[in-house]
Amino acid sequence: DTEVTQTPKHLVMGMTNKKSLKCEQHMGHRAMYWYKQKAKKPPELMFVYSYEKLSINESVPSRFSPECPNSSLLNLHLHALQPEDSALYLCASSQGRGANYGYTFGSGTRLTVV
Amino acid sequence: AQKITQTQPGMFVQEKEAVTLDCTYDTSDQSYGLFWYKQPSSGEMIFLIYQGSYDEQNATEGRYSLNFQKARKSANLVISASQLGDSAMYFCAMREAHDDYKLSFGAGTTVTVRA
Repeated sequence: DTEVTQTPKHLVMGMTNKKSLKCEQHMGHRAMYWYKQKAKKPPELMFVYSYEKLSINESVPSRFSPECPNSSLLNLHLHALQPEDSALYLCASSQGRGANYGYTFGSGTRLTVV
Repeated sequence: AQKITQTQPGMFVQEKEAVTLDCTYDTSDQSYGLFWYKQPSSGEMIFLIYQGSYDEQNATEGRYSLNFQKARKSANLVISASQLGDSAMYFCAMREAHDDYKLSFGAGTTVTVRA
C-alpha cells in the first residue's frame, strides 16, 4: 500500500462554514505535510508533523487548524475561510527526515470558498 | 534567493521525440536530494526520479533520466520518446540536509505533447 489518500476530492464551502480535510497513509511514514497550491504555481508548505507532533507552521492563518490524531492520519480543519483560500490542498508523507527521502503526495482536495 | 530555478514556463514537444526540462539549484549544503515530480491536470503530484548529491551516476527511471551536473548545480530532466500522456506540469524540487523537512519547489514547466 504505497499511497496517500485524501478526502474529499472537491469541496465547496461558504465563508462561515466549518469543514475538515482528511489525509491517510499506511506506509509507516512518520512525517506528514500539508501544502497549498494555487493554479499554475508550485505548492507552498503550510504545516509539517513529525511523529504526530507539529514541527513546522509556516505562519499560516489560524483559520487553518491542523491535527494529527495518529501516525496514519492528518486532518486540516477549516473555519471562516476567505475566497482567496480557494486552492488545491495537497497532503504528503515521507519516511522521515533526510535529504534523500522524497515525498509521496495525495491527489489533493480542490477547495472553493464562496 | 530562489533555491530552485526552472526557466522554461512552457514547452511543446512532438510525440515520440525527446524533451529536456531545465533545472538549476542553489545550496551550500554538501548533502541534498533533487527530485522531479509530474502534475497532470488532475492535480496529483507524481514522483518521477531522484538524484542524491553524492551519487556519481545520473539517475534513470524508464523513459526519465536526470542529467546531473554538480559543478554547474543543474539537474535537468530528460523525457525520451514523449507520449501524449506526458502532457503535464513538471516540478524540480530539492531537500537540503540542514532544512530536511522542507521540499523546495521550482516554478514548474508545462509540457504539451503534440500528436
